[in-house]
Amino acid sequence: GEDVEQSLFLSVREGDSSVINCTYTDSSSTYLYWYKQEPGAGLQLLTYIFSNMDMKQDQRLTVLLNKKDKHLSLRIADTQTGDSAIYFCAETGYGGSQGNLIFGKGTKLSVKP
Amino acid sequence: NAGVTQTPKFQVLKTGQSMTLQCAQDMNHEYMSWYRQDPGMGLRLIHYSVGAGITDQGEVPNGYNVSRSTTEDFPLRLLSAAPSQTSVYFCASRPQVATNEKLFFGSGTQLSVL
Repeated sequence: GEDVEQSLFLSVREGDSSVINCTYTDSSSTYLYWYKQEPGAGLQLLTYIFSNMDMKQDQRLTVLLNKKDKHLSLRIADTQTGDSAIYFCAETGYGGSQGNLIFGKGTKLSVKP
Repeated sequence: NAGVTQTPKFQVLKTGQSMTLQCAQDMNHEYMSWYRQDPGMGLRLIHYSVGAGITDQGEVPNGYNVSRSTTEDFPLRLLSAAPSQTSVYFCASRPQVATNEKLFFGSGTQLSVL
């Protein structure tokens, strides 16, 4: 079935770059997403990439998509303590409805000062 | 706009009790959904709706019922609560079903079943 895999933890120092990786299984996914969850809150969309793109940059965020390997990554440049959160990778497509998202288990990013 | 509003924020139930988690959105979104979030499991889809009067099951629907009598509201009912339903529940909506538009999430309901 459809599945999205992420590593569970990442720890970096303030000012370094963070790279969060994700693999997915559904090659028909139209869009791939990165959501951010801060403690005690719901998820907020960080960025997304259309499946026919290789890269998307948005200020400190860079998304790389390797469709051949079904690998998605999120790079956060100059990571700040405010970036500490759980980051979820998600793909579209479930049970025939492109409106549903399949989420990974989330990567908890800890930023040390 | 208030966005997606979930109530209550916290709830403690005893095994076998029933309750309804409320979700309302004021953005005229067609698509609404319920997820549960468990440690190490990410978010799993419980039920979803693509419009008033239309609902369907997600990945983990057992033990939950939903209805969508209006565009605004999408309540989630636990008929007979079990400890396995202890979780954080999120309601989410988007304008239409199959678009690249983002999901708007509520702030969650933390449910404990004793």
